[in-house]
Amino acid sequence: EIVLTQSPATLSLSPGERAALSCRASRSVSSFLAWYQQKPGQAPRLLIYDASNRASGIPARFSGSGSGTDFTLTISSLEPEDFAVYYCQQRSDWPYTFGQGTKLEIK
Amino acid sequence: EVQLVESGGGLVQPGGSLRLSCAASGFTFSSYWMHWVRQTPGKGLVWVSRISSDVSTTNYAGSVKGRFTISRDNARNTLFLQMNSLRAEDTAVYYCVTGSIVGAGGYWGQGALVTVSS
Repeated sequence: EIVLTQSPATLSLSPGERAALSCRASRSVSSFLAWYQQKPGQAPRLLIYDASNRASGIPARFSGSGSGTDFTLTISSLEPEDFAVYYCQQRSDWPYTFGQGTKLEIK
Repeated sequence: EVQLVESGGGLVQPGGSLRLSCAASGFTFSSYWMHWVRQTPGKGLVWVSRISSDVSTTNYAGSVKGRFTISRDNARNTLFLQMNSLRAEDTAVYYCVTGSIVGAGGYWGQGALVTVSS
């Protein structure tokens, strides 16, 4: 199965700063990569699908890039509500798999 | 508004069985692939199973293959997960998931907690 490795495990930033989260696949997933945000006690929320497409209702400060094995989720200017855990997920090959998550915390 | 409501979770002994249900509304259920995803603090998120809109295709994660069965009733807009031979490592919150992009979870239920313990 395809292994997704996210880095860093924890990212400490302040509101207003720019965040860049990385996801690396053990083999190519083409552009079939999604990003999710999860807050405590809630289900994950889809932010980005197919590497760079924002899901419905997602603010423009969230953007995704990459293809093949290397992907990045960028949050251009952090809002207080953006501090959460972020997961990448591939749908290129079954079984679909998730990364282990990056916790974005307030510095 | 899309709604996915899971039910059927609870406490079960190792080796026991449990059946989860997911009642769907707000979209044309019979047109969408449906999925189960589970989450544990230790192993994170795992995509457990998927079923095609016409029931012709089902797939399972290796850790549950042969023990879990996914099914759906398109007339009742309901998704099921029959879980047999449960193990402690199956303890998790189980989410019902769907979306317009197959394999990208645009909509999630609130989750059902399954605890396998003696």
